[in-house]
Amino acid sequence: NAGVTQTPKFQVLKTGQSMTLQCAQDMNHNSMYWYRQDPGMGLRLIYYSASEGTTDKGEVPNGYNVSRLNKREFSLRLESAAPSQTSVYFCAITDSVYNSPLHFGNGTRLTVT
Amino acid sequence: SQKIEQNSEALNIQEGKTATLTCNYTNYSPAYLQWYRQDPGRGPVFLLLIRENEKEKRKERLKVTFDTTLKQSLFHITASQPADSATYLCALSYGGSQGNLIFGKGTKLSVKP
Repeated sequence: NAGVTQTPKFQVLKTGQSMTLQCAQDMNHNSMYWYRQDPGMGLRLIYYSASEGTTDKGEVPNGYNVSRLNKREFSLRLESAAPSQTSVYFCAITDSVYNSPLHFGNGTRLTVT
Repeated sequence: SQKIEQNSEALNIQEGKTATLTCNYTNYSPAYLQWYRQDPGRGPVFLLLIRENEKEKRKERLKVTFDTTLKQSLFHITASQPADSATYLCALSYGGSQGNLIFGKGTKLSVKP
C-alpha cells in the first residue's frame, strides 16, 4: 500500500521545455491536490480536483495545467518551464469528508535552468 | 487577506524537555487547524486536527490547543526525543473544500541529546 506515488523524484529542465509530473493513489480517495513548496514559504496550492472529472485553480495556477485522468491519477503539466517554477512539487489526497486530513506523496524536485 | 504565522523558524531544545510551537493567524477564526510533520526530502505527515469549538486535543506525547481569543494554536511535544527533530507545519481551514487550506511556513525543531 504505497498511498500516494509521485514520479519522477527529480527532474532538471531547460527554460522553455515541457514536462508532466505524475501522481497516483491507491487509497480510493476522491480529492487530489498539487502543491509547490519553496524555501521560506508555506505550501501553496496550484490546482486541485475535488472529484473525478472536476478541476479547480488554487492560489498559484499560472504556468500550469492539470488532468484528472481517472480516480487514481492526477497529473500536473508545465508547458513552457521557467526558472521561477524551480520548486518541490507535492501531490496530496483526501477523502471527501469534511475536515479530513491530507495524505502527501514524497515530492518531485524540479530545477529549471 | 488571511495570514498565518509560525513565529519561530527554528527551535532548539534538550532531550526530555517539552517543545512548544506557535501558530498565529489574523482576521477571523478558522473552522479548524491541522498540524503536520515534515522530514527532509519527504512529504508532510498529518499529526492532529483541532476544531474551533475545541480547546485541546491530545495524541500520545502530542498536545494541541486552540485559543480563538488570542488567535493562536500551540503544539506541544512532551518528553521530546531526538527522533522528534523535524519541521512542523500548521494549516488553517475555513471550511468547505480542502482547497481552502492555508499552510504556515513551518518551524524546524531540533532536539539535542
